[in-house]
Amino acid sequence: GNSVTQMEGPVTLSEEAFLTINCTYTATGYPSLFWYVQYPGEGLQLLLKATKADDKGSNKGFEATYRKETTSFHLEKGSVQVSDSAVYFCALRQTIQGAQKLVFGQGTRLTINP
Amino acid sequence: EADIYQTPRYLVIGTGKKITLECSQTMGHDKMYWYQQDPGMELHLIHYSYGVNSTEKGDLSSESTVSRIRTEHFPLTLESARPSHTSQYLCASTRQDGNTGELFFGEGSRLTVL
Repeated sequence: GNSVTQMEGPVTLSEEAFLTINCTYTATGYPSLFWYVQYPGEGLQLLLKATKADDKGSNKGFEATYRKETTSFHLEKGSVQVSDSAVYFCALRQTIQGAQKLVFGQGTRLTINP
Repeated sequence: EADIYQTPRYLVIGTGKKITLECSQTMGHDKMYWYQQDPGMELHLIHYSYGVNSTEKGDLSSESTVSRIRTEHFPLTLESARPSHTSQYLCASTRQDGNTGELFFGEGSRLTVL
């Protein structure tokens, strides 16, 4: 079945460091891929998405490229800030036998120290 | 800003009590979801709905039940709460438009059963 595997956390970085959170997926066909972010005490919100191979999603300095050949959607940011501290979820969405399925990775907790 | 609301945000109750977690959205979305988020952060789909009078079980078995009498309202009920039900519950919604639409999440209801 469909699945999403994320880099194990927690991840702790200093401000202005480069960030990569790895995400790989298993799916048949062509799912859409998403990164969601959950700030402390809040629900999830969409950070960025890509709907087909080679698409690049970007928002708030974060980027991720849909790589079909490596079945990956790694999240990157060139210079992180303390305010980026949150839990990040990779997800895929696909229609299977008429049912839309959204599958989340296990989440990666990111802490940025000043 | 997403227009999806959950109440209560926090609830502490005793074993055996009946509880209802409310979820309402004002976006006219057809599809709604309930996720259970365990302390390890992982999200598990427990219920979803395609529209009025539609309810389906999710990937994780749950003793809770849901109803969808109105488009905007998707409450979750536990008839007899137990400590094993202690968790965060997240409600989400999306338009009925294939795989590319994002999910909008509420801020969550954190339930503690003593």
